[in-house]
Order: sequence, then structure tokens, then C-alpha cells
Amino acid sequence: GESVGLHLPTLSVQEGDNSIINCAYSNSASDYFIWYKQESGKGPQFIIDIRSNMDKRQGQRVTVLLNKTVKHLSLQIAATQPGDSAVYFCAENYTGRRALTFGSGTRLQVQP
Amino acid sequence: GAVVSQHPSWVICKSGTSVKIECRSLDFQATTMFWYRQFPKQSLMLMATSNEGSKATYEQGVEKDKFLINHASLTLSTLTVTSAHPEDSSFYICSALPGMGEAFFGQGTRLTVV
Repeated sequence: GESVGLHLPTLSVQEGDNSIINCAYSNSASDYFIWYKQESGKGPQFIIDIRSNMDKRQGQRVTVLLNKTVKHLSLQIAATQPGDSAVYFCAENYTGRRALTFGSGTRLQVQP
Repeated sequence: GAVVSQHPSWVICKSGTSVKIECRSLDFQATTMFWYRQFPKQSLMLMATSNEGSKATYEQGVEKDKFLINHASLTLSTLTVTSAHPEDSSFYICSALPGMGEAFFGQGTRLTVV
């Protein structure tokens, strides 16, 4: 049956500050990682991705860092804005598997 | 980016009835689509992989006779929740891949069974 609702970890930041959202993964075979943003009542929206042959990738206001040694992924958002408030999920897969496995998510709350 | 559209966005149905959810790739062909379920304050859980022209592949614990998936064309996959019960109330999300790389997601369907 349905699990008891879990409380998503919440990161609360001030507008203009930088945000860092973390994600741990367990599958050492995973070689492709994506960060998604999900607003209430909507589907996930792609933010940035990274392959396992890289340890850092930058986009517009966002940076993803990958540490394969400790199986850790992070998303850095620069100059966080109120519109960044959402739930953020990391997702992973590996060569030969096309479906994504999602992490548990982090709620980002941006205080004006 | 690529667009994936789901319909309906929300639906309320009576217990015991069936509900069909459509997932369309609007500007690309998708031989594979995925169906996820998301309960409140939880992550997305993969239910099944929908394969065009063949049977869907279901994840462990997902009843294939309850969640019927049909992928009749390269742009459309449907999920039918049969004999729905209140515990099936959830947010159902589909995704598709235009190629190798990022997956694009539909806007989700909120199902409420009363």
C-alpha cells in the first residue's frame, strides 16, 4: 500500500544567496546524471546533466559537481531567486538502461 | 526542447471504474516511453517501460493487469488504471527520450479515486 508521506528535506535560503543541493547515489555503474526541478503539480523540468567522464559542468546560474569516489552529486544555484523555489531531484542511469532512477528530492525555499 | 504532453491533467473517478491517461511526444518519435507514479512528498517511482509495438516491461511490484499500457504508435503511449481504488490516487507522469540523453517529462496527471 501507499507509504506514509515523507517529509522532504528542506533547504531554506535568502534571495540572492547561493544554494547547494546534495544527492547521494548507490549504483557504481551509473554513468549519467541529471538534475530536475519540479514545481507543485507539474512534471519534472530538466536543469542540467553530467556524464561520468566529467566532474563538473556549468550552465546558466547552475553548476553540477560529480564525485564518483564517494558517489555524490551536487547542484549549485548562484544568486538564488524566488522562482527557484521548487523540489529538486537528482536522477541517474547507466549504459544499457534508458529509464531514470530518481533520488528522494530536496525542497528549496527561497525567502525574499 | 522536446515536448511531451499528457492528458488529462487531472481526473476524478469513482472507485471501480477505469481511467485512461495519454502521453504524446509532440515533436519527436519515441520508441520507448516511461510511466512513473509519485505519491505526495515522495520521489518518482518507475512503474513500467512502454515499448512501441511490443509489450510493456513492468517494475517489480507493479500489477500489469491493473495498469495496462499500450504503445500503439511512435508518438503515443496510454496508461489505463483498471478498477481504480482510492489507493491508486496519485500523480502519474510519463517521459520519453528523443534519443540518447535527457528524458523529457509530461506535465503529469493527478488521479483522484473517490
